[in-house]
Amino acid sequence: DVKVTQSSRYLVKRTGEKVFLECVQDMDHENMFWYRQDPGLGLRLIYFSYDVKMKEKGDIPEGYSVSREKKERFSLILESASTNQTSMYLCASRFGQGGNSPLHFGNGTRLTVT
Amino acid sequence: GEDVEQSLFLSVREGDSSVINCTYTDSSSTYLYWYKQEPGAGLQLLTYIFSNMDMKQDQRLTVLLNKKDKHLSLRIADTQTGDSAIYFCAESPWGSQGNLIFGKGTKLSVKP
Repeated sequence: DVKVTQSSRYLVKRTGEKVFLECVQDMDHENMFWYRQDPGLGLRLIYFSYDVKMKEKGDIPEGYSVSREKKERFSLILESASTNQTSMYLCASRFGQGGNSPLHFGNGTRLTVT
Repeated sequence: GEDVEQSLFLSVREGDSSVINCTYTDSSSTYLYWYKQEPGAGLQLLTYIFSNMDMKQDQRLTVLLNKKDKHLSLRIADTQTGDSAIYFCAESPWGSQGNLIFGKGTKLSVKP
């Protein structure tokens, strides 16, 4: 079974802090994704990566950056956390880009910025 | 543009069938997906269907696809309290670089 592991289930940070959310997958997937999930808004794509050191902006990249130095690890960085970044963050990975390869999700990190 | 629509809430009694509906817009999507999210957890893949199929059955789950109307449904037979969750429909448009487009999710409540 594919395992996508997010390092923290819950995080509480202060406004202005630099925050790192880590995600690791164990199935050698090329593609990795970061979403945020908010009530009434569903899942919104922040960034994705289709290869090491490659990254693409999603729908809401402002205020975020990412790092993919190794194939199995995809980090989401909040350079200066703000209260409107309080949310559930979900990491996912996928083999290839064909439609018969589903996304596999981690359990999520619930971030609160105070 | 790309958009996936679902109703936000559904309430059923234990033992009844649940039907969750979804409409999508991109006819290039070759696969369509259903994910389940339990409270406090990530999304778990339930099933998916290839666009040249009309129906797919997997134990208590039945997926129906009407490609002409771009309508997808998920039927859960003999719904149990453990089926209470949020269900997401998703499409995989051609050229989306592996990203899926998700609906906002349908919250299924199962009453005993």
